[in-house]
Amino acid sequence: DTEVTQTPKHLVMGMTNKKSLKCEQHMGHRAMYWYKQKAKKPPELMFVYSYEKLSINESVPSRFSPECPNSSLLNLHLHALQPEDSALYLCASSHRQGAVNEQFFGPGTRLTVL
Amino acid sequence: LAKTTQPISMDSYEGQEVNITCSHNNIATNDYITWYQQFPSQGPRFIIQGYKTKVTNEVASLFIPADRKSSTLSLPRVSLSDTAVYYCLVGDGKAAGNKLTFGGGTRVLVKP
Repeated sequence: DTEVTQTPKHLVMGMTNKKSLKCEQHMGHRAMYWYKQKAKKPPELMFVYSYEKLSINESVPSRFSPECPNSSLLNLHLHALQPEDSALYLCASSHRQGAVNEQFFGPGTRLTVL
Repeated sequence: LAKTTQPISMDSYEGQEVNITCSHNNIATNDYITWYQQFPSQGPRFIIQGYKTKVTNEVASLFIPADRKSSTLSLPRVSLSDTAVYYCLVGDGKAAGNKLTFGGGTRVLVKP
């Protein structure tokens, strides 16, 4: 299984809502990533987990809260988002953290904040 | 992190070879060069990675000159389905905590 799955595919939420994005992989990868991508822009790294521990936080606002409950799962908890947070949220995983490790990306969650 | 510069867009026709050059003038000794492909509303997909000279796999070739200040992704005999955005990334191959930063990307349009 060389797939990264993400749920939901689409999410619409109000600015006062709390929601979560979920990402799962069963490739035995020990590094997992969250990216944010706006239309016609490159993906921007948000968080990196290595061996279930937060390794990199790219100064992401606290309204985004990542969680890695085990080596296969990665969540992104959303609270009090702003309309400008609307974007495609991509999850990725790799064998280990590091630039030479191929990242496998999921299809993304299209988030709309009203 | 080494900064990368790519053309914003390129047009080609089916059956032609497409070459995309990426400039990375301040590449460091331990840096590797990686290319990803992204279709609309999908996550990026790894294409190829190299350190120096030439690397070839079933979908592409990567040419890296001796000074490593640039690299060229070559897609042979493209089809309509190769229409996508192609990203060149440079990152430290030895640092365990290193991350990849996506540059602007090149939007390739293959025409019939």
